[in-house]
Amino acid sequence: QSALTQPASVSGSPGQSITISCTGTSSDVGGYNYVSWYQQHPGKAPKLMIYDVNNRPSGVSNRFSGSKSGDTASLTISGLQAEDEADYYCSSYTRSSTRVFGGGTKLTVL
Amino acid sequence: QVQLVESGGGVVQPGRSLRLSCAASGFTFSDYAMHWVRQAPGKGLDWVAIISYDGSNKYYADSVKGRFTISRDNSKKTLYLQMDSLRAEDTAVYFCVREMYNKIYFDNWGQGTLVTVSS
Repeated sequence: QSALTQPASVSGSPGQSITISCTGTSSDVGGYNYVSWYQQHPGKAPKLMIYDVNNRPSGVSNRFSGSKSGDTASLTISGLQAEDEADYYCSSYTRSSTRVFGGGTKLTVL
Repeated sequence: QVQLVESGGGVVQPGRSLRLSCAASGFTFSDYAMHWVRQAPGKGLDWVAIISYDGSNKYYADSVKGRFTISRDNSKKTLYLQMDSLRAEDTAVYFCVREMYNKIYFDNWGQGTLVTVSS
């Protein structure tokens, strides 16, 4: 049950686009379309941003999108805004019926 | 609206036990699988355990298997986490989390309860 691999940090200027990767194995990310992404602001509970690889819950901006290729999933945020600055985590279902998170990525809006 | 309220956190010595509770309201608790997820201070999210809607299936992270037990009382709309043989590395905020109905993602989180394992 190793954590999924995410970059520790990414940054971008307002209006730009950024992409956060999430790499697992064929036993988790690559084996199922059950990747989800969560946004967490300091001191707050995480918030669902993307589910089932590329679906947005109602109320989440269409600036957020998800994709997957092989064992790597990605979260793209377009038109960066100051309020997007937060920690982002990916999560996947696993072959063992458990769940696993990525190590988290700190997004800085310059 | 959905509410998940954790309780039972505190300071405990290594090797001792603690039981967390999560009171659910605003939805039909017995229809949903539930999880515990933890976050050590300044660290990332760490999945702990899941229990099916009726309590018949339970799965654990390797790091807590054999030490932690997840359970639920649907009549009381309450989720539990019994934590035994606690270690310093179990120090974290523990979140009670609902899994979306018939889906595999976390759709509602509690605010968490802090467990500190220290002598």
